Amino acid sequence: GAVVSQHPSWVICKSGTSVKIECRSLDFQATTMFWYRQFPKQSLMLMATSNEGSKATYEQGVEKDKFLINHASLTLSTLTVTSAHPEDSSFYICSARPGLGSEKLFFGSGTQLSVL
Amino acid sequence: GQQLNQSPQSMFIQEGEDVSMNCTSSSIFNTWLWYKQDPGEGPVLLIALYKAGELTSNGRLTAQFGITRKDSFLNISASIPSDVGIYFCAGQLYTGNQFYFGTGTSLTVIP
Repeated sequence: GAVVSQHPSWVICKSGTSVKIECRSLDFQATTMFWYRQFPKQSLMLMATSNEGSKATYEQGVEKDKFLINHASLTLSTLTVTSAHPEDSSFYICSARPGLGSEKLFFGSGTQLSVL
Repeated sequence: GQQLNQSPQSMFIQEGEDVSMNCTSSSIFNTWLWYKQDPGEGPVLLIALYKAGELTSNGRLTAQFGITRKDSFLNISASIPSDVGIYFCAGQLYTGNQFYFGTGTSLTVIP
């Protein structure tokens, strides 16, 4: 149980284009999903907290207009990197928390974004 | 975001040896999670801790929630080659909803 699916696994795009990453909880409902960013050999940095049916809460320093988050259902959250630039190249990972009573996070397999 | 300091940064050990790593913060946490991450993959949950002083095991892994609520420890006994990877702690603030990650410990097991 507690499987989180993230797609795509990797994406290469041209500078200026937008990229959408999907995160799905397959066997549970996730009231809260989190999006992280990870640079090579570094830790996971929290970007934003996504609650179903409401606006995402962004961490300080994360541009909400650049990293658009939509959590339209209890099993799906999307992260759109708008007008991507080479400095946005990174490993993006989503995680989901199953319900209010469970203080555990389950992660997707990550998306490696390379912006040319 | 919160700063969780994890040590050691890296470890090189012989197969069969025990491993200890810890995570500390200046803030109080009400949940500690320990993860293992392989290259190019998402972290996999190893152990979850919810109470100060709690000691929990998962096979050869044992983790403890520090009494001060500001730290946590992970021990791996009798290491094997498949233990290789990066281990992260993650804490949920007492006052918040978010989980913040430690700086990571890279473990290399020499056969």
